[in-house]
Amino acid sequence: QKEVEQNSGPLSVPEGAIASLNCTYSDRGSQSFFWYRQYSGKSPELIMSIYSNGDKEDGRFTAQLNKASQYVSLLIRDSQPSDSATYLCAASVNQAGTALIFGKGTTLSVSS
Amino acid sequence: DAGVTQSPTHLIKTRGQHVTLRCSPISGHKSVSWYQQVLGQGPQFIFQYYEKEERGRGNFPDRFSARQFPNYSSELNVNALLLGDSALYLCASSWPSPLHFGNGTRLTVT
Repeated sequence: QKEVEQNSGPLSVPEGAIASLNCTYSDRGSQSFFWYRQYSGKSPELIMSIYSNGDKEDGRFTAQLNKASQYVSLLIRDSQPSDSATYLCAASVNQAGTALIFGKGTTLSVSS
Repeated sequence: DAGVTQSPTHLIKTRGQHVTLRCSPISGHKSVSWYQQVLGQGPQFIFQYYEKEERGRGNFPDRFSARQFPNYSSELNVNALLLGDSALYLCASSWPSPLHFGNGTRLTVT
């Protein structure tokens, strides 16, 4: 059974702090990894994709991938109340990266 | 550019009925995938279609079927609806990855 695991949270951080979200995956064959943000009642919105070991930065967001440890993380710097949402980690189960296994999501709450 | 569009946005059906959900991908995207998201869970993969052919199927019963049309739009059909089919149905387009999701269809089965 291929799985992606995340702590459901809630993760609470004050405004301006760094939020750290973590995820592990079971399928060593997964090649592509994604972080989606989902506001309550809305559809998932892509934040980051990462395909190789190491760090990838995009604005306030940094994704980290360690394939040996089967671990993916997302750091959000200078957290804002608008970052309060559920963050979904996903791993691909096909080469095209179009069939994804999602975790249950981590709920982030940023207080002002 | 328009994003992924799905219709209808909300739907209420009775157990045993049939439902058809529709999706138009982002212009230029040839792949459409369908996901089911029940409350409190992450999306679960149902189908992927590329160039009108099924390229992947998740662990869903045969009551679920889909197809893709020459203009790359897609339909998801669910027969003999069960209460447990109540969920947000998400369509995503891509080629290649990553997936970009539409706003979803909220299906309620009573």
